[in-house]
Amino acid sequence: QSALTQPASVSGSPGQSITISCTGTSSDVGDYNYVSWYQQHPGKAPKLIIYAVTNRPSGVSDRFSGSKSGNTASLTISGLQAEDEADYSCYSHATKVFGTGTRVTVL
Amino acid sequence: EAQMVESGGGLVQPGGSLRLSCAASGFTFNSWMSWVRQAPGKGLEWVANIKGDGSDKYYVRSVKGRFTISRDNTKNSLYLQMNSLRAEDTAMYYCAREYIGAYDYWGQGTLVTVSS
Repeated sequence: QSALTQPASVSGSPGQSITISCTGTSSDVGDYNYVSWYQQHPGKAPKLIIYAVTNRPSGVSDRFSGSKSGNTASLTISGLQAEDEADYSCYSHATKVFGTGTRVTVL
Repeated sequence: EAQMVESGGGLVQPGGSLRLSCAASGFTFNSWMSWVRQAPGKGLEWVANIKGDGSDKYYVRSVKGRFTISRDNTKNSLYLQMNSLRAEDTAMYYCAREYIGAYDYWGQGTLVTVSS
């Protein structure tokens, strides 16, 4: 199985909104709602921020939101903050495949 | 508070073996559990998972026949026996709990380096 495709990097200024895409196929993203997103700061373990496409775990900021259209899932970070600078990865539980990862930079 | 602590990583020569352990606490240890790895500077890769009662196990193709996942629910522990290690197995290995098709609890990771 090939990794889900994400942009290598996305950047934004504080307060702006950014969106990270995660493109797969009908076999991993399109036909299933078990897509999740993870935030990972350097040297740290991944942290779950979105599960089942749109759901936020308890304690995760509501500035993070998830959606899906066709074979592409998306993570939106609104009101960008310096602490959001990290790597973000999507994941499809249908095929047990992670995305290629996106480095978010806060300008 | 949920916590998972991995151990057992280290430097091993190609062809060697290691056994990773993951000690869990703070949550009911009867869920599907996974090992996920991350090679230096690379993305995350699911390695293996095991059902709550240990009856079902699955592996990524690249480790089938070399790695074995197991668990001891009496000790709230997860294991990964890694044999015939290759340079490409070099990575940080994380244990993680599966929750509604995602991984909600992660350990801090244990580093495995395969090199001569």
